[in-house]
Amino acid sequence: DAGVTQSPTHLIKTRGQHVTLRCSPISGHKSVSWYQQVLGQGPQFIFQYYEKEERGRGNFPDRFSARQFPNYSSELNVNALLLGDSALYLCASSLQVSNTEAFFGQGTRLTVV
Amino acid sequence: KNQVEQSPQSLIILEGKNCTLQCNYTVSPFSNLRWYKQDTGRGPVSLTIMTFSENTKSNGRYTATLDADTKQSSLHITASQLSDSASYICVVSAGYSSASKIIFGSGTRLSIRP
Repeated sequence: DAGVTQSPTHLIKTRGQHVTLRCSPISGHKSVSWYQQVLGQGPQFIFQYYEKEERGRGNFPDRFSARQFPNYSSELNVNALLLGDSALYLCASSLQVSNTEAFFGQGTRLTVV
Repeated sequence: KNQVEQSPQSLIILEGKNCTLQCNYTVSPFSNLRWYKQDTGRGPVSLTIMTFSENTKSNGRYTATLDADTKQSSLHITASQLSDSASYICVVSAGYSSASKIIFGSGTRLSIRP
């Protein structure tokens, strides 16, 4: 059974551009969460979606948005990219919205130049 | 403010030696504490998860302890191997509601030298 899959694995964008990152959760998992991890730091919570509805939002600007599809896959969108958006973006899936164990994908390494 | 502090920030030990990583937290209400292993550029992988009533949990050569009174946890690695080189992240959940209540530490970067 496939784990959490994220695409693309690596991405280079220029300042001001827009980016879309994708995540497919483990089969049967209905909750998807997004995290930003800057080098040398722990992941920072961005969004959680459950049953296609936003269930939590971290302290990130409105340039960050996300959505979840009927098949529970999810997209994270970032507009007007800044150099500081360069990070590893992690997606985690879990069975429920509550704090059951989360399984992480390999991440998408975004570099903004 | 909910916080998770880990120490040391980085650690270098020789292959075969043991080591202990520390995690102190100020998270309320406490739900559970997890230790993750994260290889460079990869997603975190869960090692252990402990609730309030558990004070020790093992996963192979990894043993985690939890003292809910002092709000401290440790991860002990026995007979280290080169493949143990990674970042180890302590994660504490506040309540049961959502992922927004999960607080990550900054991690301890462990390097195992032959």
